[in-house]
Amino acid sequence: DGGITQSPKYLFRKEGQNVTLSCEQNLNHDAMYWYRQDPGQGLRLIYYSQIVNDFQKGDIAEGYSVSREKKESFPLTVTSAQKNPTAFYLCASLGQGHNEQFFGPGTRLTVL
Amino acid sequence: DAKTTQPTSMDCAEGRAANLPCNHSTISGNEYVYWYRQIHSQGPQYIIHGLKNNETNEMASLIITEDRKSSTLILPHATLRDTAVYYCIVPAGSSNTGKLIFGQGTTLQVKP
Repeated sequence: DGGITQSPKYLFRKEGQNVTLSCEQNLNHDAMYWYRQDPGQGLRLIYYSQIVNDFQKGDIAEGYSVSREKKESFPLTVTSAQKNPTAFYLCASLGQGHNEQFFGPGTRLTVL
Repeated sequence: DAKTTQPTSMDCAEGRAANLPCNHSTISGNEYVYWYRQIHSQGPQYIIHGLKNNETNEMASLIITEDRKSSTLILPHATLRDTAVYYCIVPAGSSNTGKLIFGQGTTLQVKP
């Protein structure tokens, strides 16, 4: 089945450590997105990529980094510079000529 | 992106129609209205979108007013599984990035 996978579902890290969240899609979609969601809030865009080897900052990119070396993969690194990293992280993709974004199941990151 | 306004929460009896309103008075002529929903702790799911004509699919109907300043998402026979946060989104028409801006949405509680 085609879809988006994010792993792991739950992730715990100590303060000051970098952590990388995985996002993989087999939908052959060109565009991929990373969002952050805090409790009771809507999603906020962190980074997005419309094509391999290219990406742009979203609204809240500080303290995060991404790479897009393959069409299928768009990993997000939460660095120690991110002041409040505990949140629910969602990855999405969008195919050319399509209208709807497909979302992964999300990774809940807790920094202790 | 055009700003959207939705009620914070709504209740609906199981089996009845759920009508979720959205105001988007600053919408431009080429901007679509999208609806997504998010069941607790899952990724958002696309429901439907439209420009100016009413739209219907297997999940819902979308009614857009003639002046396009508001719309209503209709779930014709709500079930308990329709309990979720519903987001009305109007992406910028001149942008082809696919970026979505999520507000706080409407929390729909379907009750037995």
